[in-house]
Amino acid sequence: QSVVTQPPSASGTPGQRVTISCSGSSSNIGRNAVNWYQQVPGTAPKLLIYTNTQRPSGVPDRFSGSKSGTSASLAISGLQSEDEAIYHCEVWDDNLKAVFGGGTKLSVL
Amino acid sequence: QLQLQESGPGLVKPSETLSLTCTVSGGSIRGSTYYWGWLRQPPGKGLEWIGSISEGGSTFYSPSLESRLTMSVDTSKNHFSLKVRSVTAADTAMYYCARRNLDSHAFDVWGQGTKVIVSS
Repeated sequence: QSVVTQPPSASGTPGQRVTISCSGSSSNIGRNAVNWYQQVPGTAPKLLIYTNTQRPSGVPDRFSGSKSGTSASLAISGLQSEDEAIYHCEVWDDNLKAVFGGGTKLSVL
Repeated sequence: QLQLQESGPGLVKPSETLSLTCTVSGGSIRGSTYYWGWLRQPPGKGLEWIGSISEGGSTFYSPSLESRLTMSVDTSKNHFSLKVRSVTAADTAMYYCARRNLDSHAFDVWGQGTKVIVSS
């Protein structure tokens, strides 16, 4: 059981906007930046969002991140079939160091 | 373009030591802006951070694994390594190495991963 929690699954139809949440505490999300990674099944994770809201070069602006208090969210607008993947949030915890949420499997229906 | 490649045995017996190496190509392992990390993902489960090491050998380990871990770095060979002692079936996982960028505070470059099974 991770100290940072994500819903195990999410879904949407093409073109829709979906959000994935990441809930933590004052020792992690409440005081440190959140990163998001995208993992297509069978491949390595890829950095999608860093420092709560920043996109690495090459990541479409359909992907956006936000943080408020002890929770963070990843939003995907204009959902596409290739967005079907597992999304992981990651944050530094003052006690446990780097921690990940359990991952959210996104299905595009 | 920086690339990371994990290598090591795919099968380890219970109670023995798991040893993996991550070779960095297309760039240097030197650099104060980076740490180098190991992560793993058990079958069907989420990611778990194992630990990170700097070019100078400073280490951060996961508290839950620290007693069984040793990480090292060899800048002359441009690689870093992981040893996990006294493995059990719970250590069966896909193991990834990754670069921790201290500017972005994120793992920004990942290896493709190597599967390790603990079984007799």
